[in-house]
Amino acid sequence: QVQLQQWGAGLLKPSETLSLTCAVYGGSLSDHYWSWIRQPPGKGLECIGEVDHRGNTKHSPSLKSRVTVSIDTSKNQFSLILKSVTAADSAIYYCARGTRSYYYDYMDVWGKGTTVTVSS
Amino acid sequence: DIQMTQSPSSVSASVGDRVSITCRASQGISSWLVWYQQKPGKAPEVLIYAASSLQSGVPSRFSGSASGTDFTLTINNLQPEDFATYFCQQVNSFPYTFGQGTKVEIK
Repeated sequence: QVQLQQWGAGLLKPSETLSLTCAVYGGSLSDHYWSWIRQPPGKGLECIGEVDHRGNTKHSPSLKSRVTVSIDTSKNQFSLILKSVTAADSAIYYCARGTRSYYYDYMDVWGKGTTVTVSS
Repeated sequence: DIQMTQSPSSVSASVGDRVSITCRASQGISSWLVWYQQKPGKAPEVLIYAASSLQSGVPSRFSGSASGTDFTLTINNLQPEDFATYFCQQVNSFPYTFGQGTKVEIK
């Protein structure tokens, strides 16, 4: 059974860089895409970006200038970098596996989430 | 971006009730719609994909339907473990966007 384990710094100052990594256990990076989603406290969910095993990426236009999603197939990991953070970036950040075909697309395995707080 | 308008924002119900939650897409998304359940302090879990397909392991009291740009999640015979927040997500075009969520509370 595939599991995602994520980690990264939880407390940042404004203008610093957020860096999170998600390791995939019990499965291959192939045949799926790998996503980052965030959820501000008490609010809804926002897709940040995704990457496939070939390194093809998609990024949210609202964050595109600050965000990088990458993959390391040798380590079975994928990562999120978000530059120049502000208090508005404070949220729970989730990594997730996406399953996509011609007929369906959904995120079926999620990490436990990392709480990131941006405060001076 | 495609906007997903979810309603109601909260609903109070009793065990055994039927609950319906609706999402309306700002443009056509065919059947590219997913429903998730999220419990406090936990990550979301997929319930329904492709608007009406039940994810493996999800009880059959959950069902999804579609009519144009309107999508409905129905929970029949509400159980204690169903009290949670539910989100819809369109996966028709990136960035994938979510509804604001519906909290199902105990009456």
